[in-house]
Amino acid sequence: DVKVTQSSRYLVKRTGEKVFLECVQDMDHENMFWYRQDPGLGLRLIYFSYDVKMKEKGDIPEGYSVSREKKERFSLILESASTNQTSMYLCASSLAGTGDSGANVLTFGAGSRLTVL
Amino acid sequence: GQNIDQPTEMTATEGAIVQINCTYQTSGFNGLFWYQQHAGEAPTFLSYNVLDGLEEKGRFSSFLSRSKGYSYLLLKELQMKDSASYLCAALDSNYQLIWGAGTKLIIKP
Repeated sequence: DVKVTQSSRYLVKRTGEKVFLECVQDMDHENMFWYRQDPGLGLRLIYFSYDVKMKEKGDIPEGYSVSREKKERFSLILESASTNQTSMYLCASSLAGTGDSGANVLTFGAGSRLTVL
Repeated sequence: GQNIDQPTEMTATEGAIVQINCTYQTSGFNGLFWYQQHAGEAPTFLSYNVLDGLEEKGRFSSFLSRSKGYSYLLLKELQMKDSASYLCAALDSNYQLIWGAGTKLIIKP
């Protein structure tokens, strides 16, 4: 019954390594999001996408990039990982953002906990 | 700026009632969400309010006052499994979610 799947639950990387976090959803949702979650802070939006090959910067895009080549898949890339990117990364999806309340409900993946040494 | 405030932590007793408050300031407003997040798990949707008033869903209810920029989540007949973080999020005029830091709810027997 898993609807948003993140490829890795736990990763440990070295400073300077390139990191790929994969996310796949099977609900045919238009919107996909990448957040990071740190203790004491709310969810912070890194990037989001409203359509294939389309991306928009969120609140904290620096040090990250994304790719959406297929509707169901949204990848987060850390070109050169740094220790301050140690965090929990959450992928989410939703229907198109409109006035319809149901369209804006997010379905989250289980999260990817990244540690950068 | 945009801001969501909610208490960091609350403690309640099994079988009791608890109210988790959330105040928000956003550029425009298109609704208020509550999510539940158990430790180490993904957030899951609990409720959505866009009109003033109380929405009830079983043991959980959510209230909204748009004029006061205020919402609360009410949990009745608390169970141990309700121990979790509760996240408040407001949808702004651009349909972007503004998140609170979450309220950790501890249930004691």
